[in-house]
Amino acid sequence: NAGVTQTPKFQVLKTGQSMTLQCAQDMNHNSMYWYRQDPGMGLRLIYYSASEGTTDKGEVPNGYNVSRLNKREFSLRLESAAPSQTSVYFCASSELAGGGYNEQFFGPGTRLTVL
Amino acid sequence: GENVEQHPSTLSVQEGDSAVIKCTYSDSASNYFPWYKQELGKGPQLIIDIRSNMDKRQGQRVTVLLNKTVKHLSLQIAATQPGDSAVYFCAESGYSTLTFGKGTMLLVSP
Repeated sequence: NAGVTQTPKFQVLKTGQSMTLQCAQDMNHNSMYWYRQDPGMGLRLIYYSASEGTTDKGEVPNGYNVSRLNKREFSLRLESAAPSQTSVYFCASSELAGGGYNEQFFGPGTRLTVL
Repeated sequence: GENVEQHPSTLSVQEGDSAVIKCTYSDSASNYFPWYKQELGKGPQLIIDIRSNMDKRQGQRVTVLLNKTVKHLSLQIAATQPGDSAVYFCAESGYSTLTFGKGTMLLVSP
């Protein structure tokens, strides 16, 4: 099993450009999450999908949109990238809906730079 | 909202020594507390977790303590090895999502 996969691994954008980060999991998990990680800030939740067909905002949703394409795939879209969105983005999944009592498995991350 | 404070932000130890990382949380409804290890260039990986109905849990060279009265938790890594060098995160969950601390960079010197 590949676990959680993310594409691309690296990306450089110019301010105002758009892009979609892709995430897929092969563990048949119900819940999927997008985080961003900035130096000294830990991991902050952008959006999550507790189950197929649902999405909810996390702590820092502004400037992002998400799509739960099916049970396996959860994408994150930046419509008009800004330098403040320079970060490392992690996708995660967990078996049960919600965050309590169940392990989240993380992908390898996408390092995004916005110039 | 939920808040998790973690300290120290960096910790340097000699190989074989113990390392202790501490966290405090604010939400009394929190009932699940995982600890994650993140190696350079990789995603975080769960190393141990504890539920609110427990005070202590042990794994291989790692022990987590939970004091619900004062909302403190700690992670102890015994007999540290250079391979333990990484960033460690505590987290808490009460309802639907995890809230993470800001991380502790642990450096184990040979």
